[in-house]
Amino acid sequence: GAGVSQTPSNKVTEKGKYVELRCDPISGHTALYWYRQSLGQGPEFLIYFQGTGAADDSGLPNDRFFAVRPEGSVSTLKIQRTERGDSAVYLCASAETIEAEAFFGQGTRLTVV
Amino acid sequence: GESVGLHLPTLSVQEGDNSIINCAYSNSASDYFIWYKQESGKGPQFIIDIRSNMDKRQGQRVTVLLNKTVKHLSLQIAATQPGDSAVYFCAENAGGFKTIFGAGTRLFVKA
Repeated sequence: GAGVSQTPSNKVTEKGKYVELRCDPISGHTALYWYRQSLGQGPEFLIYFQGTGAADDSGLPNDRFFAVRPEGSVSTLKIQRTERGDSAVYLCASAETIEAEAFFGQGTRLTVV
Repeated sequence: GESVGLHLPTLSVQEGDNSIINCAYSNSASDYFIWYKQESGKGPQFIIDIRSNMDKRQGQRVTVLLNKTVKHLSLQIAATQPGDSAVYFCAENAGGFKTIFGAGTRLFVKA
């Protein structure tokens, strides 16, 4: 596809469950970012990948959150023991290089009930 | 601390008028600033950026102004159109590649 693809677009899960959110970046983009956006607020940085490695994971709120990018392309954000406060839109962005313009996907809306 | 904020949460303008959206930042170490547009149900879309060694940068119908003395950033949209209705975020990078977003300003364009 032409843009960043995120799946699923919506996810409803029960408190305490495990969820995985997927991001397919634009082909050839080496930089990949995850953000979280709560209603009425700006996106909040979570983690950044350069290739396969997490170059900066300082935004992950706690150890329930983990992200991988094993082959330097698709990334998965994993949330364990979900809590109602995890409800938000999770945005993924990719860029050709670290200093290039970042392109965002449409996000995954996660609702924890 | 590191924060990016906005003066006004909403802005309403008449179609055809110019819009000015303001932003204040607090980290004097920030050296790169970006304006994003976000429409409902979509991710943020890059509009224009500016580095700290510049005061002004122009794009198509948009201009970003940076005043480092008072840590202020503004986005000017010329001849505002209904399609410009969205939430606008300013964002900053202070070294590294962690982009910090402000809370956003919602722009309403009246026909």
